[in-house]
Amino acid sequence: AQTVTQSQPEMSVQEAETVTLSCTYDTSESDYYLFWYKQPPSRQMILVIRQEAYKQQNATENRFSVNFQKAAKSFSLKISDSQLGDAAMYFCAYRSAVPGGGADGLTFGKGTHLIIQP
Amino acid sequence: DVKVTQSSRYLVKRTGEKVFLECVQDMDHENMFWYRQDPGLGLRLIYFSYDVKMKEKGDIPEGYSVSREKKERFSLILESASTNQTSMYLCASSPSFRTGHTGELFFGEGSRLTVL
Repeated sequence: AQTVTQSQPEMSVQEAETVTLSCTYDTSESDYYLFWYKQPPSRQMILVIRQEAYKQQNATENRFSVNFQKAAKSFSLKISDSQLGDAAMYFCAYRSAVPGGGADGLTFGKGTHLIIQP
Repeated sequence: DVKVTQSSRYLVKRTGEKVFLECVQDMDHENMFWYRQDPGLGLRLIYFSYDVKMKEKGDIPEGYSVSREKKERFSLILESASTNQTSMYLCASSPSFRTGHTGELFFGEGSRLTVL
């Protein structure tokens, strides 16, 4: 079974600065997807960024980028120029891409609470 | 945009009551999921379904059942609610991988259940 570990229950950053959220995972599969989801207070879970394991290039979405280290099974999220609206719970998640797998959804880490200091 | 709608944002029930949580998605997705979210524990999968009338147990199915009579609707049932089922429940959906989809789930807004 796959596991996802987020070692930082809470992080705090000054507005406009850069913050990195850590995530490690354990799997014996070679083909999979990794995700970062954002959950603002009392609001819907939304996808921030996605990485396919077969792609060596790190995914980027505007101010959000990842550092994907497949051999180390590490998948960190970097948020540049932090904004007050970035305050949320962030979840790292894994999904198998094996045919027949993945129908059982995502495996999530326990989350990191990101605080943005004005 | 994909829309996943959960019927109730907040519910308060008494111990022993039967509870139905309804979820509807409007994008013809094959896969649907029910997660439970608790502080410090993240999201844990209760049940999932990959087709109408099909269901599979997730990591924490005890005390729950599900129903999927139509493709767009996936219901979570607590036959006899208990206080330890007080939690946030999240419904999600996704297309099948056969469609070339790249894996992400689309979530509803959540249903916060309190069992007294």
